[in-house]
Amino acid sequence: DAGITQSPRHKVTETGTPVTLRCHQTENHRYMYWYRQDPGHGLRLIHYSYGVKDTDKGEVSDGYSVSRSKTEDFLLTLESATSSQTSVYFCAISESRQNSNQPQHFGDGTRLSIL
Amino acid sequence: AQSVAQPEDQVNVAEGNPLTVKCTYSVSGNPYLFWYVQYPNRGLQFLLKYITGDNLVKGSYGFEAEFNKSQTSFHLKKPSALVSDSALYFCAVRSSNTDKLIFGTGTRLQVFP
Repeated sequence: DAGITQSPRHKVTETGTPVTLRCHQTENHRYMYWYRQDPGHGLRLIHYSYGVKDTDKGEVSDGYSVSRSKTEDFLLTLESATSSQTSVYFCAISESRQNSNQPQHFGDGTRLSIL
Repeated sequence: AQSVAQPEDQVNVAEGNPLTVKCTYSVSGNPYLFWYVQYPNRGLQFLLKYITGDNLVKGSYGFEAEFNKSQTSFHLKKPSALVSDSALYFCAVRSSNTDKLIFGTGTRLQVFP
């Protein structure tokens, strides 16, 4: 398995509170991604990073921000959590775009419940 | 715009029988196609990919997939299903000119003893 660690694995919090999820990789891959998984929607891209301090929005980025200060860490922040952000969040990594035939590799997810 | 369709929410098959999980796609440019499997409380695991070359791609755990350009399909197959194959399967596509992977909504495979 690719060296990807997501923390925390589970979190329950209240509406309006800030939440930060962490993804840590040991593979030195350039690309990192945050997805959310919801029934009937599959996986949807929130944000992704193509290098340190280089990030871009995905299809469902509203209400989320990200930061990447080191190659190995990619943080996802919900500034003010809402119940619609209750979901399972997955981090993924991949090698550079020049090798874009390479698959993404996924962490085991964070189950986030917002009450 | 890229899109992926998995028309079946669930596929049921008896152990030992062949299985097929369907996937069709739409993409501009050359397609890069992937199948992933997800077991409970785990992340997605890569099964196989089509980039170019032979239309029949072999992957992990005895799975294979057939790329059909005219039908824009990439169906996942296995000649003889196992109960342990029961899981959620995702098809995904990326075009050759983007970094973003688009996933289907997933198909739950149930293999009965």
